[in-house]
Amino acid sequence: DVKVTQSSRYLVKRTGEKVFLECVQDMDHENMFWYRQDPGLGLRLIYFSYDVKMKEKGDIPEGYSVSREKKERFSLILESASTNQTSMYLCASSPDRTVGQYFGPGTRLTVT
Amino acid sequence: AQKVTQAQTEISVVEKEDVTLDCVYETRDTTYYLFWYKQPPSGELVFLIRRNSFDEQNEISGRYSWNFQKSTSSFNFTITASQVVDSAVYFCALSERLSNTGKLIFGQGTTLQVKP
Repeated sequence: DVKVTQSSRYLVKRTGEKVFLECVQDMDHENMFWYRQDPGLGLRLIYFSYDVKMKEKGDIPEGYSVSREKKERFSLILESASTNQTSMYLCASSPDRTVGQYFGPGTRLTVT
Repeated sequence: AQKVTQAQTEISVVEKEDVTLDCVYETRDTTYYLFWYKQPPSGELVFLIRRNSFDEQNEISGRYSWNFQKSTSSFNFTITASQVVDSAVYFCALSERLSNTGKLIFGQGTTLQVKP
């Protein structure tokens, strides 16, 4: 079974802190994704990566950056957390367009 | 442009009722893939089904069934004899054209509440 893990289920940070959200997949997938999910707004793509060190902006990249130094790990970085980044963050991986995506359990981030 | 529309924001039913979740998609591709995911209160999206554009056969898995109709660009999901454990947010998704990254276009999701 494909497994996608995220470093924390719940996280509380203060405004202005640098925040790292880590995601690891164990199936050698080329592609990895970061979403945020807010009530009434569905899933919104922040960034995705299609290879090591390769990344593309999604629909809402502002205020975020990403890092993919190894194939299995995809990190989302909030350079200076703000209260409007309080949200549920979901990571996913995929081998290609025919299979769909496998999701991690999510990280509920609260910025105070 | 590609788009997925789930017009039903919230549905509430009583246990044992049948319920259908609608999904309408737009794409210019002749080859595409459609998906349904379930997100229970725990938060993790769980894959339910994948369908490619060349396979219009309906699919049944236990109490779940899917009706794919290319003529109306719809991929609807029916739960028969609903149960409280079916309460979740359900997402329909379409694979993005001209890309092999696995990037998906998601609908807004339908929140299903099944009351005992």
